[in-house]
Amino acid sequence: DAGITQSPRHKVTETGTPVTLRCHQTENHRYMYWYRQDPGHGLRLIHYSYGVKDTDKGEVSDGYSVSRSKTEDFLLTLESATSSQTSVYFCAISDTGADTEAFFGQGTRLTVV
Amino acid sequence: GENVEQHPSTLSVQEGDSAVIKCTYSDSASNYFPWYKQELGKGPQLIIDIRSNVGEKKDQRIAVTLNKTAKHFSLHITETQPEDSAVYFCAASNGGANSKLTFGKGITLSVRP
Repeated sequence: DAGITQSPRHKVTETGTPVTLRCHQTENHRYMYWYRQDPGHGLRLIHYSYGVKDTDKGEVSDGYSVSRSKTEDFLLTLESATSSQTSVYFCAISDTGADTEAFFGQGTRLTVV
Repeated sequence: GENVEQHPSTLSVQEGDSAVIKCTYSDSASNYFPWYKQELGKGPQLIIDIRSNVGEKKDQRIAVTLNKTAKHFSLHITETQPEDSAVYFCAASNGGANSKLTFGKGITLSVRP
């Protein structure tokens, strides 16, 4: 398995609180992605990074921010969690971009109550 | 942006039969089409991919075909086995600088013993 670690694996939080999810890779891949997976919606891109300090929005970026200060770490922050952000979050990495294999982490199940 | 549609949402086959999963895409500039398999509780994993300069690709029991004119591509699984039961996602990318991978909603394949 590719060296991707997501933390935490499970989290329950209250509405209105900030939450940060972490993705750590040991593959030295340039590209990192955050997706959310919801029933009936498949995988939707939240934000992605194409290098240290280089990030861009995906299709469902509202309410989320990201940071990448080191090649190996990509953080996803929910500034003020809402119940609609209850989801399973996946981090993915790829070496040369969206036209090559993406390796996914094990996912983080986030519940906002 | 790209829109990838996947039909049907569920598919049930008898062990040993073949399964075909179809996807359509909207962006004629898309040139990379991967298929991912997601087992319960895990992140998606690439099983096969195809680029627009190829019409078909095979890997043991799995094959993918691409029809650029009609903008659709299909996953074919022959001699299905219970371990093929999973969620399958198709995706598309135009492979440009900092391009994004757009996923379909996924299909749940059940192989009946």
